[in-house]
Amino acid sequence: GDSVTQMEGPVTLSEEAFLTINCTYTATGYPSLFWYVQYPGEGLQLLLKATKADDKGSNKGFEATYRKETTSFHLEKGSVQVSDSAVYFCALSGNQAGTALIFGKGTTLSVSS
Amino acid sequence: EPEVTQTPSHQVTQMGQEVILRCVPISNHLYFYWYRQILGQKVEFLVSFYNNEISEKSEIFDDQFSVERPDGSNFTLKIRSTKLEDSAMYFCASSGAAGYEKLFFGSGTQLSVL
Repeated sequence: GDSVTQMEGPVTLSEEAFLTINCTYTATGYPSLFWYVQYPGEGLQLLLKATKADDKGSNKGFEATYRKETTSFHLEKGSVQVSDSAVYFCALSGNQAGTALIFGKGTTLSVSS
Repeated sequence: EPEVTQTPSHQVTQMGQEVILRCVPISNHLYFYWYRQILGQKVEFLVSFYNNEISEKSEIFDDQFSVERPDGSNFTLKIRSTKLEDSAMYFCASSGAAGYEKLFFGSGTQLSVL
């Protein structure tokens, strides 16, 4: 079945460092890909998405490109801030309303000043 | 921004007891979901609900689980006879016409089964 694999955490960085969180997927068809973020004490929030190959999703300085040839959707940010400390989840879904999101395990990012 | 609200934030129960987890989705949303995350594991899909019926469910969602939208605003998950392995964080989510493209999640209910 469809699945998502993302790098194990925790990831610990200093402020202004470059961030990459790797995510690869296995899916039949052409899924949509997502990054969700969970800040402490809050629910998961959609960070960015891409719905077809070569699309780049971006938000709040984060970006990820849908790479069909490598089945990847790596999350990057050029300069992280302390406020980016959170758990990041890669996910995929089929392209129908009401269909399940399939999540990775989540990667904890901790940024220190 | 509108929110999905879940209550309680923590629930402790004895094995074999029934629990009901409550959610108030965003008011004009059409699709409703339950997910769970066992500590250290993936966020797993349980069930989706649309037009007052289940539209999709996972193999986790067996006869011990049920969902209901009793009054047009609440969305509940009932576990009839809890097991130790039901201990997890349970997330409710809802989405509007965009459907799968953007889910709004609640902050979760941590269920501990003793």
